[in-house]
Amino acid sequence: QLQLQESGSGLVKPSQTLSLTCAVSGGSISSGFYSWNWIRQPPGKGLESIGYINHSGSTYYNPSLKSRVTISLDRSKNQVSLRLSSVTAADTAVYYCARGRTLDLAFDIWGQGTMVTVS
Amino acid sequence: EIVLTQSPDFQSVTPNEKVTITCRASQSIGTSLHWYQQKPDQSPKLLIKYASQSISGVPTRFSGSGSGTDFTLTINSLEAEDAATYYCQQSSSLPLTFGPGTKVDIK
Repeated sequence: QLQLQESGSGLVKPSQTLSLTCAVSGGSISSGFYSWNWIRQPPGKGLESIGYINHSGSTYYNPSLKSRVTISLDRSKNQVSLRLSSVTAADTAVYYCARGRTLDLAFDIWGQGTMVTVS
Repeated sequence: EIVLTQSPDFQSVTPNEKVTITCRASQSIGTSLHWYQQKPDQSPKLLIKYASQSISGVPTRFSGSGSGTDFTLTINSLEAEDAATYYCQQSSSLPLTFGPGTKVDIK
């Protein structure tokens, strides 16, 4: 069964770059049926889609974050990465990696999430 | 960007009661609407896709309906384990967006 595991720096200083990795096990990130998404949730708040990358490496970023976001694939490690530059306290959140179904863009499998604090 | 609103924000319900949560889109999205359940300190879980299509492994007391701009998630005969926040999400156009959530508490 496919599993997603986020990891990375839990504490980032303002103006620096947040870097997270999503390790995918039990399946390949090269499958054409899925996209690999990053979604975040500030403490006590709702969900925000950051962006996604598909099997061919094509990306989409939320316009609200586009100038600061990079999502990439590492096929050799079967991992997806997120970089968010010039962070502020407003970027403090739980960051989730989620698999999106290409057919309907519903998120059917989620990682457990990783808390990132900007301070 | 398509904005989703949900009502109510919060609902306190007795076990075995029926729960109805509404999600409204700022423009027509057909049936490109999905529902998630998020329990405290857990990641969200997909409950319903395409407004009304069931997901394998999800209890049958969860159902969805609607199209266009108005959608409903129904929980028939609420159980204690259903205490959670419920989110709708649209996939009609990018960016993908979520509703603000409806918290369901058990009396």
